[in-house]
Amino acid sequence: EPEVTQTPSHQVTQMGQEVILRCVPISNHLYFYWYRQILGQKVEFLVSFYNNEISEKSEIFDDQFSVERPDGSNFTLKIRSTKLEDSAMYFCASSEEGYNEQFFGPGTRLTVL
Amino acid sequence: QKEVEQNSGPLSVPEGAIASLNCTYSDRVSQSFFWYRQYSGKSPELIMSIYSNGDKEDGRFTAQLNKASQYVSLLIRDSQPSDSATYLCAVKRNNRLAFGKGNQVVVIP
Repeated sequence: EPEVTQTPSHQVTQMGQEVILRCVPISNHLYFYWYRQILGQKVEFLVSFYNNEISEKSEIFDDQFSVERPDGSNFTLKIRSTKLEDSAMYFCASSEEGYNEQFFGPGTRLTVL
Repeated sequence: QKEVEQNSGPLSVPEGAIASLNCTYSDRVSQSFFWYRQYSGKSPELIMSIYSNGDKEDGRFTAQLNKASQYVSLLIRDSQPSDSATYLCAVKRNNRLAFGKGNQVVVIP
């Protein structure tokens, strides 16, 4: 069964460094998303991406964040100048055009020291 | 008012019993509703979607939607120890999913 994949599974970085989280959405899906979940808190929407541009973003998704689809398969989230409070699980999700269901990848645990 | 509310504390149910989970939402224009299961340290896994008022059954799971009351529920019949997880209610608005905090279910063998 097709699934969303994410790398790395765990990323440790120093405060102030830049990180790139990678995702490979399900191959026939056209909508891509990033969510995050701080430990013990609810899953929060960051951004949605369609047709090579951001279609919606939350108030969390400020200038520190950016997304890109560098090729036909990868979807990335870049976090510049990481802060301690960026420590969280970051989930990528994707959905088919015309369908509402979003399928999540296994997540990347980001730890900022 | 929170966008999606799941207020119940942890739910303990004996194996074989029915687990009942509730969720309310604030945005009346929402049209798509989902239940996800999340095991500890894992990602959300979609188990049910519902778009119309009434009941929708899939195996041991039944989702119920009442748009007038802005209420979504999930029933898990014949609960199994493998059902022990946190269940997340999610409501779609535009492109985003808004999640509730989740309800932890513990099935006791």
